[in-house]
Amino acid sequence: AQSVTQLDSQVPVFEEAPVELRCNYSSSVSVYLFWYVQYPNQGLQLLLKYLSGSTLVKGINGFEAEFNKSQTSFHLRKPSVHISDTAEYFCAVATRGGSEKLVFGKGTKLTVNP
Amino acid sequence: DAGITQSPRHKVTETGTPVTLRCHQTENHRYMYWYRQDPGHGLRLIHYSYGVKDTDKGEVSDGYSVSRSKTEDFLLTLESATSSQTSVYFCAISEGWGEQYFGPGTRLTVT
Repeated sequence: AQSVTQLDSQVPVFEEAPVELRCNYSSSVSVYLFWYVQYPNQGLQLLLKYLSGSTLVKGINGFEAEFNKSQTSFHLRKPSVHISDTAEYFCAVATRGGSEKLVFGKGTKLTVNP
Repeated sequence: DAGITQSPRHKVTETGTPVTLRCHQTENHRYMYWYRQDPGHGLRLIHYSYGVKDTDKGEVSDGYSVSRSKTEDFLLTLESATSSQTSVYFCAISEGWGEQYFGPGTRLTVT
């Protein structure tokens, strides 16, 4: 079975500062990895995904994430955040070959302050 | 945005009453899911479907049932609602590879 740990439940940052949201996963088989974002009172939307190939993945709104197999991590980064990035971010994992189900982390609430 | 709607968007009901939530898609995706979202728990899978009349349980399926009689509709039923089922419910659709598209959510309050 897979599991996902998001190491920070809340991350406050100032506008234009860099941010890193941390995600570690556990799985005995190869996985696909995802980051989803949820703006207030909305559903989740896909930010970026790692399926195979380059371990550095770029997503929407200037976010990127790096897959590190040896550390079983998939941290999300943005070099300069905006007020509009305030949202909750979820890391998720799916099993290769059984990828019809996602396992989500508990979420990290990013608050960008002026 | 993926064509996925949920109804109702908000509902208040009393303990012990049955409740049905509807998810409708226009994308003809094979997989459909029901999640609940609660503070501190993230999203937890209730049930999912991998085709018409093909469904399976998720990690928090007790007290819930589902049906999928058409590709486009996935119904979630609370047979006898309890206060612990107060939550925000999200439907999602997928063609596999882990990439899911989410509906806007239904906020359910059981009093």
